[in-house]
Amino acid sequence: KQEVTQIPAALSVPEGENLVLNCSFTDSAIYNLQWFRQDPGKGLTSLLLIQSSQREQTSGRLNASLDKSSGRSTLYIAASQPGDSATYLCAAKTGANNLFFGTGTRLTVIP
Amino acid sequence: EPEVTQTPSHQVTQMGQEVILRCVPISNHLYFYWYRQILGQKVEFLVSFYNNEISEKSEIFDDQFSVERPDGSNFTLKIRSTKLEDSAMYFCASAAGAGELFFGEGSRLTVL
Repeated sequence: KQEVTQIPAALSVPEGENLVLNCSFTDSAIYNLQWFRQDPGKGLTSLLLIQSSQREQTSGRLNASLDKSSGRSTLYIAASQPGDSATYLCAAKTGANNLFFGTGTRLTVIP
Repeated sequence: EPEVTQTPSHQVTQMGQEVILRCVPISNHLYFYWYRQILGQKVEFLVSFYNNEISEKSEIFDDQFSVERPDGSNFTLKIRSTKLEDSAMYFCASAAGAGELFFGEGSRLTVL
C-alpha cells in the first residue's frame, strides 16, 4: 500500500524567504502527483499536478519537482508571503482512481 | 471558474441517524470521488464513481455507505446509520479524466 510522508510537519519562515516542502512516497509506480493547499477548516485547492513522465511543473512562485525513482517530490515556494500560510498536502495517484495523501506541512509565513 | 460545490457545509446528527451529503461536480467531469478527513488525520479515499457505477472503494466504504448520481448534476454520499467515528470532514472531488482532481469545500459531519 502506498505511504506518503511529508517533512517537516510544520515550518515557520519570515516573509520573503524561499522555502522547500518535501514529500516522499513508497511506491514509485504512480500515475501523477498533486500538490494541494488547505486553509483551516476549508477544502483542498489544487496547486500543481505533475504527471509521472514529467520532472517538474511551475505556476507563478510555485515549482514542483518529481523524482519517481527515488520516490520524492518537492514544492518550492519563492519569495514567501503571509498569504501563503496554510497546510500544504501532496498526494500520489496510484491505480486509476485513488489519491494517497500525506499528513501535510503547516506553513506559517511571518510578516 | 467552475468549481465543485458541497452541501451542507456542516451537519450535526445523532448516532444511528441517516445522513446524505450532496455534491455538484464540475459539469463536464466524468469521474467523481468521496474522501474524508478525520480531525488531525490524513485525507482518506472512500470511493470513486464512473459511468454510473462504483469503480473503486476503500475498506472504509462498508455497507453503511452508498453513493448515487440521481440526476445529471448531483452526486450524493449516504451514511445509513451514523457512528461516532463517522465524524469527519467529507470532501467530494471530480475530474475530467485520469488527471487532476478538483475538490469541494467539504461537508463537516458531527455525530453526537
